[in-house]
Amino acid sequence: QVQLVQSGAEVKKPGASVKVSCKASGYTFTSHFLHWVRQAPGQGLEWMGLISPSDGGTAYAEQFQGRVILTRDTSTSTVYMELSSLTSEDTAVYYCARELGGHDHWGQGTLVTVSS
Amino acid sequence: QAGLTQPPSVSKGLRQTATLTCTGNSNSVGNEGAAWLQQHQGHPPKLLSYRSNNRPSGISERFSASRSGNTASLTISGLQAEDEADYYCSAWDSSLSAWVFGGGTKLTVL
Repeated sequence: QVQLVQSGAEVKKPGASVKVSCKASGYTFTSHFLHWVRQAPGQGLEWMGLISPSDGGTAYAEQFQGRVILTRDTSTSTVYMELSSLTSEDTAVYYCARELGGHDHWGQGTLVTVSS
Repeated sequence: QAGLTQPPSVSKGLRQTATLTCTGNSNSVGNEGAAWLQQHQGHPPKLLSYRSNNRPSGISERFSASRSGNTASLTISGLQAEDEADYYCSAWDSSLSAWVFGGGTKLTVL
């Protein structure tokens, strides 16, 4: 079965960077785009960007341009999301999600807390 | 970035039918249609439909989606207590080259 397993919770200080991983299994890794979506406490879903596992091509939401980098490792079927220059506004649960028309499978989420 | 517009809340009684709406534009909903997600508190979202009216396997037929112009709709029939959740629509916006989400609708089943 399709599974997306994310790395554990992180606590970071303002100005720092965070790197979250998402390991895919149960399907052909290179066949589907993988997206990153975040959700601040009590708020809605916010799209951050996507990566094509087959060629590493990326697209980012305008509000994250220059601050987020998505990468992938085809040898381990893992994608990574690195977000820099963190502020308290970046405190959120970060999800990876597979695309099939919509986002049909989601990781369990990774809580990133930014606090001094 | 321009998002999709959803009503913040909808309330309906048990066994009734709820219709949730999602308005975008010709570059988003009006282009390739919308997807609908259900999210219970503390859990990741779950895909209910995509490209307006395609239902993933395992999703109840009580959930049906449609589109008219730039507005997508999700109809939930025979409401059950477990349908109480947040519902989000999403779509690819071809002019922004970005996925956009609606702000979500909180469905309360009375």
